[in-house]
Amino acid sequence: AQSVTQLGSHVSVSEGALVLLRCNYSSSVPPYLFWYVQYPNQGLQLLLKYTTGATLVKGINGFEAEFKKSETSFHLTKPSAHMSDAAEYFCAVSENTGNQFYFGTGTSLTVIP
Amino acid sequence: KAGVTQTPRYLIKTRGQQVTLSCSPISGHRSVSWYQQTPGQGLQFLFEYFSETQRNKGNFPGRFSGRQFSNSRSEMNVSTLELGDSALYLCASSLSVDQPQHFGDGTRLSIL
Repeated sequence: AQSVTQLGSHVSVSEGALVLLRCNYSSSVPPYLFWYVQYPNQGLQLLLKYTTGATLVKGINGFEAEFKKSETSFHLTKPSAHMSDAAEYFCAVSENTGNQFYFGTGTSLTVIP
Repeated sequence: KAGVTQTPRYLIKTRGQQVTLSCSPISGHRSVSWYQQTPGQGLQFLFEYFSETQRNKGNFPGRFSGRQFSNSRSEMNVSTLELGDSALYLCASSLSVDQPQHFGDGTRLSIL
C-alpha cells in the first residue's frame, strides 16, 4: 500500500521567511501528487498538483512544489510567508493502478508576525 | 460550477443513535470518497464509491457504511454511535485518480 510521510507535524516561520513543508511518498509506479490546504472548520482546498510533465509545479497563493523522483519527494515551498498562510497542509498521492488517494498526516503551519 | 455540498454542516447525537450524512459531488464526478478527520488521527479514509459500487474501503468497523445513488450523490451512515465517532466527516469527489479530489466543507458530528 502507498504511504505518505509529512515530516514535522508543526512548522513555525516568521512572516516574510521561506516556507518549506516536506512530503515523501512510497510508490513503485509513477504517482500523481497533490498539496491541499485546510483552514479551520473547512474542507481541503487544492493548492497544486503534479501528474505529468514539468516537475516544478506552481500553485495558488504563491506556493510551488517540485517532484523529485530519485528522492520520492514532493516538498512544498513559498518564498515569503504571509500571515494568511497559517493553516493545515496535507500532501496526497494517488496511483494509476488504484482508485484511492492517500493523505499524509498533515503539517500545521504557524506564521509569526 | 457548484462545488461539493455536504449536509448537514453540524450534527449533535447521543450514544447509541444512528446518523446519515449526505454528499452531493461536483456535476460529472462519479467517484466519491469519505474521510473521518479527528485531531488525534488526522485524515482517515472510510470508503470510495464509483458508479454506485464501493471500490475501496478503509479500516473502519461495520457500523460505518455508505452508498451511492445513480446521480452520484452519496450517503454515509453510522449506526450505534460511540463517543469516539465525534469528528469532522469530509466528502470528496473526483473525475479520476490523476485529477484532484474536491472536498466539501464537511459535517461536524458531535456525540454526547
